[in-house]
Amino acid sequence: GDSVTQMEGPVTLSEEAFLTINCTYTATGYPSLFWYVQYPGEGLQLLLKATKADDKGSNKGFEATYRKETTSFHLEKGSVQVSDSAVYFCALSSPGGSYNTDKLIFGTGTRLQVFP
Amino acid sequence: NAGVTQTPKFQVLKTGQSMTLQCAQDMNHEYMSWYRQDPGMGLRLIHYSVGAGITDQGEVPNGYNVSRSTTEDFPLRLLSAAPSQTSVYFCASRNREETQYFGPGTRLLVL
Repeated sequence: GDSVTQMEGPVTLSEEAFLTINCTYTATGYPSLFWYVQYPGEGLQLLLKATKADDKGSNKGFEATYRKETTSFHLEKGSVQVSDSAVYFCALSSPGGSYNTDKLIFGTGTRLQVFP
Repeated sequence: NAGVTQTPKFQVLKTGQSMTLQCAQDMNHEYMSWYRQDPGMGLRLIHYSVGAGITDQGEVPNGYNVSRSTTEDFPLRLLSAAPSQTSVYFCASRNREETQYFGPGTRLLVL
């Protein structure tokens, strides 16, 4: 079945460092890909998404490119801040024929800790 | 818009007790779902609904019941709580652009 694999955490960085969180997926068809972020004590929020191959999603300085040839959707940010400390989830929307039958499948999450 | 709201925020139950986790959304989304979040396992889908009167099972439905009598509300019922159901529960609704909106979560401890 469809699945998402994320790199293990925690990822620990100093402020202004470059961030990469790896995400690869297995899917039949052409899924949409997402990154969600969960700040401490809160629910998940959509960070960015891409709906087809070679699309780049971006938001708040974060970017991820939908790479069909490597089945990847790695999250990157050029200069992290302490406020970026959170858990990041990669996810795919498994096509079911219509949006009502698509299933959102999550990776296990990667905790990012940024120190000043 | 309040978005997705959940109550309670925190609950302690004894084994065998029953309870209902409430979830409501005011965005008129047809699709709603319940997830549980456990350490190292990400989010796992419990049940989902594609509209009022229609529900279906997700990945881990055992021990949970749902109903969807209105577009706005999607309660999750635990009929006989077990320690294995200790978890953080998230309700979510989704729009047609596939963006999922999550509630703040309910932290459940079953003793």
